[in-house]
Amino acid sequence: DIQMTQSPSSLSASVGDRVTFTCRASQTIDKYLNWYQQKPGKAPKLLIYAASSLESGVPSRFSGSGSGTDFTLTISRLQPEDFATYYCQQGSTIIRTFGQGTKLEIK
Amino acid sequence: EVQLVESGGDLVQPGESLKLSCAASGFTFSGSSIHWVRQASGKGLEWIGRIRSKANNYATAYAASVNGRFTISRDDSQNTAYLQMNSLKTEDTAIYYCARGGSSFGHFASWGQGILVTVSS
Repeated sequence: DIQMTQSPSSLSASVGDRVTFTCRASQTIDKYLNWYQQKPGKAPKLLIYAASSLESGVPSRFSGSGSGTDFTLTISRLQPEDFATYYCQQGSTIIRTFGQGTKLEIK
Repeated sequence: EVQLVESGGDLVQPGESLKLSCAASGFTFSGSSIHWVRQASGKGLEWIGRIRSKANNYATAYAASVNGRFTISRDDSQNTAYLQMNSLKTEDTAIYYCARGGSSFGHFASWGQGILVTVSS
């Protein structure tokens, strides 16, 4: 199975900051990389699919990039509602796998 | 509006069985793949399996951790998917989500609210 590794595991930032999360796949996955946001007690929400395509209704301050094995999710100007845990997920193989998550906390 | 609603969660003993349901509305259920993802308390997301549409022969696939114990099925006439869980272990304790598969990039476009399954003696 493809292993997905996210870094950092946690991150402290302030409202208005620009933050970047990283996700690395153990083998090439082309652009089959998706990002989710999860808040406590809630289901995950799709933010980005196909590495860089913004899901409908997701604010434009979220952006994704990368291909192959290395990917990033960037939030350009943090808003209070963005503090959550972010997961990457590969969709390249039948067996789907998630990264372990990055928890974004308020500084 | 797309909706997925899980039901059937319960407290069961190790070795017992449980069947979860995922009732869907707001999209063409029969043409969609349905996935199940779980999350143990304080842990990350774990994909556990999926069922494809009739056009794709209702093909199923499972994670190694549940293969042989869990079975996914669907009833397109009821817009409902199921997760049959047998030989449950304490490590199967988690919130279980069903999700609609996306069209091309293996993503999960919509999620249910989740249902808690607790396996404990």
